Amino acid sequence: DVKVTQSSRYLVKRTGEKVFLECVQDMDHENMFWYRQDPGLGLRLIYFSYDVKMKEKGDIPEGYSVSREKKERFSLILESASTNQTSMYLCASSQGLAVTDTQYFGPGTRLTVL
Amino acid sequence: SQQGEEDPQALSIQEGENATMNCSYKTSINNLQWYRQNSGRGLVHLILIRSNEREKHSGRLRVTLDTSKKSSSLLITASRAADTASYFCATGDDYKLSFGAGTTVTVRA
Repeated sequence: DVKVTQSSRYLVKRTGEKVFLECVQDMDHENMFWYRQDPGLGLRLIYFSYDVKMKEKGDIPEGYSVSREKKERFSLILESASTNQTSMYLCASSQGLAVTDTQYFGPGTRLTVL
Repeated sequence: SQQGEEDPQALSIQEGENATMNCSYKTSINNLQWYRQNSGRGLVHLILIRSNEREKHSGRLRVTLDTSKKSSSLLITASRAADTASYFCATGDDYKLSFGAGTTVTVRA
């Protein structure tokens, strides 16, 4: 079974802090994704990566950056956390970028910024 | 961008009943996927239907797709308490999936 793990289930940070969210997948998938999920808005794509050191902006990249130094690991960075970044963050991976490719999700990190 | 929109937003049914939820989308798609999310957890892929398919089954799940109406439906038959979850449709345009806001299903014992 594909396993996608995220470093924390719950995280509380203060405004202005730099925040790192880590995601690891164990299936040698090429592609990894970061979403945020807010009530009534569904999942919105922040960034994705189709290869090591490669990244593409999603729908809402402002205030975020990403890093993919190794194939299995994809990090989401909040350079200076703000209260409007309080949300559930979901990481996913998939083998290919085609629409037909199933995405496998981690359990999520619920981030609260005070 | 939110392409798929699920309807209804919430659904409450008795154990053993069927649950039906719909997804409408705006632009042409190649495929449509349904995912389930249990409370506070990540999403789990349920089923994928291609644009040239009209109906697909997987266990107690039945998905239909009507490309002329740009809509899909997910039917869960003989529901169980474990089916309590949020259900999302996801449509893909070029290289990403766009998820709707979901339908929350509660199955009462």
